[in-house]
Amino acid sequence: NAGVTQTPKFRILKIGQSMTLQCTQDMNHNYMYWYRQDPGMGLKLIYYSVGAGITDKGEVPNGYNVSRSTTEDFPLRLELAAPSQTSVYFCASRTGGWGEKLFFGSGTQLSVL
Amino acid sequence: GENVEQHPSTLSVQEGDSAVIKCTYSDSASNYFPWYKQELGKRPQLIIDIRSNVGEKKDQRIAVTLNKTAKHFSLHITETQPEDSAVYFCAALQGDNFNKFYFGSGTKLNVKP
Repeated sequence: NAGVTQTPKFRILKIGQSMTLQCTQDMNHNYMYWYRQDPGMGLKLIYYSVGAGITDKGEVPNGYNVSRSTTEDFPLRLELAAPSQTSVYFCASRTGGWGEKLFFGSGTQLSVL
Repeated sequence: GENVEQHPSTLSVQEGDSAVIKCTYSDSASNYFPWYKQELGKRPQLIIDIRSNVGEKKDQRIAVTLNKTAKHFSLHITETQPEDSAVYFCAALQGDNFNKFYFGSGTKLNVKP
């Protein structure tokens, strides 16, 4: 049971480039999330999904897109990267319902220069 | 959406002393409040949580209290040890179907030996 797996762990992008952050979980969780964590700050919700084919915006969705074609995978797409997107990105999942804890991936450190 | 505020942003204590971190939330419908510990360069890990139908929960040296009327909850760590040094985040579960976690900005705890 690998839990939540994120790739890549590190990435440097040039302004205007695009990339996809991969996230996969093997716990059959319905709910998946993408958060960003700026240095010295808390976690801000970018997008989330409550099941395959269903996604919704969080607090800071601008500049990002997601898809959820399977229960296991929840990729995050950055189009036209900007320096403001320099951050650590965490994917997380949970079964859903009341009080079920979040399981986090190990994070992707992204720098946009 | 939900607004979670966390104080203090940094906390320095002597080994063996107690540490208290406080959070407030804005949405009275929020009903689940986890606390996460994040060591440097690592993913957040759940350390304790509390549901809205409970006022206090304890697990060895850590405890969480919840005051629904005042909409605030607190983390208490007793007999602190150097390995407790980390960033601690509170969170609140909110959303029409309780599907979104909102995080506080974090408290950096430093336990001096």
